[in-house]
Amino acid sequence: DAKTTQPPSMDCAEGRAANLPCNHSTISGNEYVYWYRQIHSQGPQYIIHGLKNNETNEMASLIITEDRKSSTLILPHATLRDTAVYYCIARSNDYKLSFGAGTTVTVRA
Amino acid sequence: GAVVSQHPSWVICKSGTSVKIECRSLDFQATTMFWYRQFPKQSLMLMATSNEGSKATYEQGVEKDKFLINHASLTLSTLTVTSAHPEDSSFYICSARDMTRGTDTQYFGPGTRLTVL
Repeated sequence: DAKTTQPPSMDCAEGRAANLPCNHSTISGNEYVYWYRQIHSQGPQYIIHGLKNNETNEMASLIITEDRKSSTLILPHATLRDTAVYYCIARSNDYKLSFGAGTTVTVRA
Repeated sequence: GAVVSQHPSWVICKSGTSVKIECRSLDFQATTMFWYRQFPKQSLMLMATSNEGSKATYEQGVEKDKFLINHASLTLSTLTVTSAHPEDSSFYICSARDMTRGTDTQYFGPGTRLTVL
């Protein structure tokens, strides 16, 4: 499984875009990049995933570099409810998800 | 997104007793479900993969005789913690693999907090 690297924490201002980076330099060609977030004492919430192309849904946008070695999750207008731990995962071919430490995102008013 | 439920949301039991946790996919069928455990201030650790109609596969270091998994239908998997001890106290979370909406995504339940006295 490809290992992902994320900054341990980041702060962002309410109403501004939050850009969350993730490095996955060893990702293989058929491994998808998945993003989840976990709010304290809850199960992880699916955000978005992608393989090669940039993706957008109602929650966020996912920008994947052309070489697929890194990606950025963009929350377009962060709110206080977006405060959570965000996990970037390179999903293995056996469909298992390996959670790292993630990025603790704190949105401040 | 798809909805996955867990029951109970929390449970307190005495040491030596067994506890069953249910995981249900409410609006889709899931041939594969996963069970995770999360200790305080740590990330999720995969315990086992539950496949409908067949035996679960366990991650290295997880005792299959202690953590019994049954996936008897396409919408229900159960995890039974047998002879629970205080060190089994943790947050247990399941996920269900949804392949029915043109994508392949795991959706997670809200978790079950187990406290063993």
